[in-house]
Amino acid sequence: AQSVTQLDSHVSVSEGTPVLLRCNYSSSYSPSLFWYVQHPNKGLQLLLKYTSAATLVKGINGFEAEFKKSETSFHLTKPSAHMSDAAEYFCVVSDREGNKLVFGAGTILRVKS
Amino acid sequence: DAGVIQSPRHEVTEMGQEVTLRCKPISGHDYLFWYRQTMMRGLELLIYFNNNVPIDDSGMPEDRFSAKMPNASFSTLKIQPSEPRDSAVYFCASSFWRLNTGELFFGEGSRLTVL
Repeated sequence: AQSVTQLDSHVSVSEGTPVLLRCNYSSSYSPSLFWYVQHPNKGLQLLLKYTSAATLVKGINGFEAEFKKSETSFHLTKPSAHMSDAAEYFCVVSDREGNKLVFGAGTILRVKS
Repeated sequence: DAGVIQSPRHEVTEMGQEVTLRCKPISGHDYLFWYRQTMMRGLELLIYFNNNVPIDDSGMPEDRFSAKMPNASFSTLKIQPSEPRDSAVYFCASSFWRLNTGELFFGEGSRLTVL
C-alpha cells in the first residue's frame, strides 16, 4: 500500500530564510504526489502536485518540490520564508486508481520575525 | 464559485445526541469526500461518493455514522448517538477529476465537540 512519511512534526525558521519540509513516500507504482497547506481554522489548499511530468514542480506562493525516485522523496522548499507561510503542511499520495488520497501526519511550520 | 460550503462551523452537543453535518460541494464536481481530523489520528477518509453514489465507506468508524448524498449539491454526515470520542473537525471536500491528476477542494470544516 502507498504511504507518506513526513520526517519532521515541527519546523521553525526565521523570516527570510529558506524552508525545507521533508517527505518520503512508499509506493509500488509511479505515484502522484501532492503538498497541501492548512492555515489555522481553515480547510486544506493544494500547494503543488507531481503527476509524472517534470520532476521539479512549482506551486503557489513560491513553493516548489522535487520528485526524486532514487531517494523516494518529495521535499518541499521555499527560498525565503514569509510570516504568512506559518501553517501546517501535508505531504499526500494518491492511490493507483486516483480515488483516494493518503495524507501524511503533517508538519507545522513556524516563522519567526 | 463560493467553494465547498459546510455547516455548522461549530457544534457543541451532549453525549447521546444526534449530530448532522452538512456539505454543499462545488457545482459540477463529481466526487465528494468526508474526512475527519484529530490530533491523534490526523486526517482520515470516512467515505466518498461519485455521482451521488457511495463508493467506499470503509473509513466510517461504526454504525453510529452514516452519510447520504441525495443530489449533486448536498451531502450529510450523521452521527447517532454521538460520543465524546467523536469530537473532531469534519471536512467535506469535492473534486472534478480523479485525485491522481486533479485537485481536492476542501471546505473550512465543522468543529464538533461532544461533551
